Amino acid sequence: KQEVTQIPAALSVPEGENLVLNCSFTDSAIYNLQWFRQDPGKGLTSLLLIQSSQREQTSGRLNASLDKSSGRSTLYIAASQPGDSATYLCAVTTNFGNEKLTFGTGTRLTIIP
Amino acid sequence: DAGITQSPRHKVTETGTPVTLRCHQTENHRYMYWYRQDPGHGLRLIHYSYGVKDTDKGEVSDGYSVSRSKTEDFLLTLESATSSQTSVYFCAISEGAGYNEQFFGPGTRLTVL
Repeated sequence: KQEVTQIPAALSVPEGENLVLNCSFTDSAIYNLQWFRQDPGKGLTSLLLIQSSQREQTSGRLNASLDKSSGRSTLYIAASQPGDSATYLCAVTTNFGNEKLTFGTGTRLTIIP
Repeated sequence: DAGITQSPRHKVTETGTPVTLRCHQTENHRYMYWYRQDPGHGLRLIHYSYGVKDTDKGEVSDGYSVSRSKTEDFLLTLESATSSQTSVYFCAISEGAGYNEQFFGPGTRLTVL
């Protein structure tokens, strides 16, 4: 059974710093990995999707990497801003039962002005 | 933003009553999903649909049923609500199977007293 872990559960950094969020998964046979952000009381916003054949994806100040063999992904946020404060979730689609995403429990990020 | 709406957005009901949540999309995507989000568990798949009248169970389907009579609508029914079904429910859509990017609705907060 696929398990997804995000450590730490919470992170606070000063505004302007670069930061890395981590995601690990137990079964490397994945189709893709998706990063989301969730603001309090809101739905999930898709940030980046990395297919299993890709190593990384970039969108603006965000860069996500994927190392399938080691079961790890990172989300790099450059020049953090207070508006980046949110919970960040990663989720994977495995080859077996590929109809669903398996989610981590998220990292709650706070950017200190 | 993907055109996904959920109704109602908030609902309080009593144990034993039936409840139906509605997800409506304007994207004409084939796949639709229902997830629940609970503290400490993250998001978990309840049911999903891969076309009109085509549905299948997720990992936490007990106590829930679904129906999809039109491409744009996916209904989640709690036949007899229990307190353990108090949760936030999210609908998601994707063009294809799980290897496609999923987009989420704003969520429905359900409280069962």
